[in-house]
Amino acid sequence: AQSVSQHNHHVILSEAASLELGCNYSYGGTVNLFWYVQYPGQHLQLLLKYFSGDPLVKGIKGFEAEFIKSKFSFNLRKPSVQWSDTAEYFCAVLKAAGNKLTFGGGTRVLVKP
Amino acid sequence: GAVVSQHPSRVICKSGTSVKIECRSLDFQATTMFWYRQFPKQSLMLMATSNEGSKATYEQGVEKDKFLINHASLTLSTLTVTSAHPEDSSFYICSARVSGNYGYTFGSGTRLTVV
Repeated sequence: AQSVSQHNHHVILSEAASLELGCNYSYGGTVNLFWYVQYPGQHLQLLLKYFSGDPLVKGIKGFEAEFIKSKFSFNLRKPSVQWSDTAEYFCAVLKAAGNKLTFGGGTRVLVKP
Repeated sequence: GAVVSQHPSRVICKSGTSVKIECRSLDFQATTMFWYRQFPKQSLMLMATSNEGSKATYEQGVEKDKFLINHASLTLSTLTVTSAHPEDSSFYICSARVSGNYGYTFGSGTRLTVV
């Protein structure tokens, strides 16, 4: 069965620090990849997605992610975080021929002012 | 664009009663909607896929007679938790796939507490 792993459950860092969240998936076929963010008390919002083309994807709010096919990874990065980036981040994978998203376990990020 | 509205946002019910959660696509037609359950500090687990005009497809381990899904129109899907028990307390989230960009949009979720 397809699975999605997010290595860090909790991350605490200070403002202006760099952030990298890991995401690995187990499916061997063609996939579409997503990162979602859930701010406290709010619904899931799309940060960025990858379907094809340039494996380095830029999303909203200064986030980017790199798809490395050989490593089955889609890590999320932000060079300099802000307090407002405090949220939970979810990686999700969609089989290219399917319609069901599989989510990783999520990573709670706390940015200290 | 592509907004999904979910109601209610919070509901408290007594054990043994049923609760209906609505999910509406406001500015697009959603032939397929998805229902997730999210336990505290855990990820979203897909419960079922709701298809307009046909029966829902349930994930393994999800009781279809307990979690009734109706998708009677292209803009509305409902999830009814029947004979609710405290272990059904959770955060339920609906989602719809938006055609054209292969993206998904999510409702704001419903916090169900069964007492």
